[in-house]
Amino acid sequence: AQSVSQHNHHVILSEAASLELGCNYSYGGTVNLFWYVQYPGQHLQLLLKYFSGDPLVKGIKGFEAEFIKSKFSFNLRKPSVQWSDTAEYFCAVNAQTGRRALTFGSGTRLQVQP
Amino acid sequence: ETGVTQSPTHLIKTRGQQVTLRCSSQSGHNTVSWYQQALGQGPQFIFQYYREEENGRGNFPPRFSGLQFPNYSSELNVNALELDDSALYLCASSLASGGAYEQFFGPGTRLTVL
Repeated sequence: AQSVSQHNHHVILSEAASLELGCNYSYGGTVNLFWYVQYPGQHLQLLLKYFSGDPLVKGIKGFEAEFIKSKFSFNLRKPSVQWSDTAEYFCAVNAQTGRRALTFGSGTRLQVQP
Repeated sequence: ETGVTQSPTHLIKTRGQQVTLRCSSQSGHNTVSWYQQALGQGPQFIFQYYREEENGRGNFPPRFSGLQFPNYSSELNVNALELDDSALYLCASSLASGGAYEQFFGPGTRLTVL
């Protein structure tokens, strides 16, 4: 069975600070990796995804993530956060075969102070 | 392109009642997945429907059931509601043709069981 761990439950940053949110997964096979964001009052939106190839992937709004296979990690980064980045961030994985249901982490609440 | 829609937005039920939640998938998508998101947690996979057939199920009891219709819209039915069923129920649609089954989420239905 797959599992996803997000180590930071609540992160508070000032505007312009750099962000790194940790994500580790457990699965015996090949996976696809995702970061989703949930802004207050809005639905889940895809930030970025990794299927194969270059382990450094770039997403929307200046976010990027690096897949490190040896560490089973897929950390999310942004060099300079903005107040509008205040949201809940979820890491998710699915298997590259089979039904491909998403397994989510418990989420990280990011609060950016102006 | 119309996104994923869900109805109703909010619902209040009492223990023991039954509830039906509805989802219209994004245009062109043939796969619908349902997730339960309890407060402060990440979404958990309930089940997935592909071409009107259940195509995988998470760790949820049989009182959670679903349907998918020829137009790929879907229903989630929950019988004998329990207090712990209070959650945000998310529907996600995808196109089951290779790739990573990128899933697009609807806004959710918030169910409160009293």
